[in-house]
Amino acid sequence: GENVEQHPSTLSVQEGDSAVIKCTYSDSASNYFPWYKQELGKGPQLIIDIRSNVGEKKDQRIAVTLNKTAKHFSLHITETQPEDSAVYFCAASYPSNTGKLIFGQGTTLQVKP
Amino acid sequence: DGGITQSPKYLFRKEGQNVTLSCEQNLNHDAMYWYRQDPGQGLRLIYYSQIVNDFQKGDIAEGYSVSREKKESFPLTVTSAQKNPTAFYLCASSSSREGLEQYFGPGTRLTVT
Repeated sequence: GENVEQHPSTLSVQEGDSAVIKCTYSDSASNYFPWYKQELGKGPQLIIDIRSNVGEKKDQRIAVTLNKTAKHFSLHITETQPEDSAVYFCAASYPSNTGKLIFGQGTTLQVKP
Repeated sequence: DGGITQSPKYLFRKEGQNVTLSCEQNLNHDAMYWYRQDPGQGLRLIYYSQIVNDFQKGDIAEGYSVSREKKESFPLTVTSAQKNPTAFYLCASSSSREGLEQYFGPGTRLTVT
């Protein structure tokens, strides 16, 4: 079945450095890839997403890249700030428009001041 | 003030009791979803509904039930048949029946002893 692998599980960076989180998916028919940020005790917040017809998308300090051939996509956060500390989840859509997302296991990002 | 509300934030129940978690949205979204999150893990889909009066099982539906009688409401019942009900439950909604751009509520933390 469809599967999403996310790495690393934890990431610690110094404030101002960049952070990169990578995900791979198994079904080449997946066509939508969102990223969520979850702060402790709260619901996940959609921060950026990308569709399969686009290779890269940016929104201020965050960007997502997609490599359809290799079936992987990455989240890039530049100029990290302490408030970026959270758990980040990637997800991929099930094929066939089933209305379902499959989530990765999450990456805990710590930005040290 | 538009959004998704879940109540209560914390819920405690004795083993063997059924419990219903509330999820309401005023975003006029067609699709709604229930996920379960366990410590240090990703989100797993319990049930989803792409339209009123219709719903589908997700990956871990056993021991759960839902209804979708109104567009804005998608309550989840955790039955006594669910073997490990203690978890963080998240409700989401999407304007797209294909599950794109899902927005999450704040979650309900259920503890069963």
